[in-house]
Amino acid sequence: AQTVTQSQPEMSVQEAETVTLSCTYDTSESDYYLFWYKQPPSRQMILVIRQEAYKQQNATENRFSVNFQKAAKSFSLKISDSQLGDAAMYFCAYRSADPSGGGADGLTFGKGTHLIIQP
Amino acid sequence: DVKVTQSSRYLVKRTGEKVFLECVQDMDHENMFWYRQDPGLGLRLIYFSYDVKMKEKGDIPEGYSVSREKKERFSLILESASTNQTSMYLCASSPGVGNQPQHFGDGTRLSIL
Repeated sequence: AQTVTQSQPEMSVQEAETVTLSCTYDTSESDYYLFWYKQPPSRQMILVIRQEAYKQQNATENRFSVNFQKAAKSFSLKISDSQLGDAAMYFCAYRSADPSGGGADGLTFGKGTHLIIQP
Repeated sequence: DVKVTQSSRYLVKRTGEKVFLECVQDMDHENMFWYRQDPGLGLRLIYFSYDVKMKEKGDIPEGYSVSREKKERFSLILESASTNQTSMYLCASSPGVGNQPQHFGDGTRLSIL
């Protein structure tokens, strides 16, 4: 079974600064997907960024980027120019790649990192 | 935008009651999921479904069952609610092709007294 570990229960960063959230995972599979989800106090889980394991290039979405190290099984999230609206719980998640392309497997989540933005 | 709607935002029930949590998605997604979220534990998969009337157990199915009679609706059932099922429950859906990410509802905070 796969496991996802987020070693930082809480992180704090000054507004406009850069912060990196850590995530490591354990799997014996070679093909899979990794995700970062954000959950603000409103509770809705929002997809931040996604990485396919077969792609060497790190995914980026505006101020959000990942550092994907497949051999080390590491998937960290970097948030640049932090904004007050970035304050939330951040969850790293893993999903096996479905050979049929159906994506029917559930996600395996880490325990989350609470990100605080200091004004 | 994908809309995943959970019928209740807050729900209070008593021990031993049969509890239904409803989830509806409006994007014709094949896959639907139920997760439970507890502080310090993250989200854990209870059940999922990849088609009408199909269901698969997740990591923590004990004490729960599900129903998917229509493609857009996925119900989580607590057959006899217990206090250790007090939690936040999140429903999600995703398309059946293309290994697409899951879209989540707003969650139901369930308290069992």
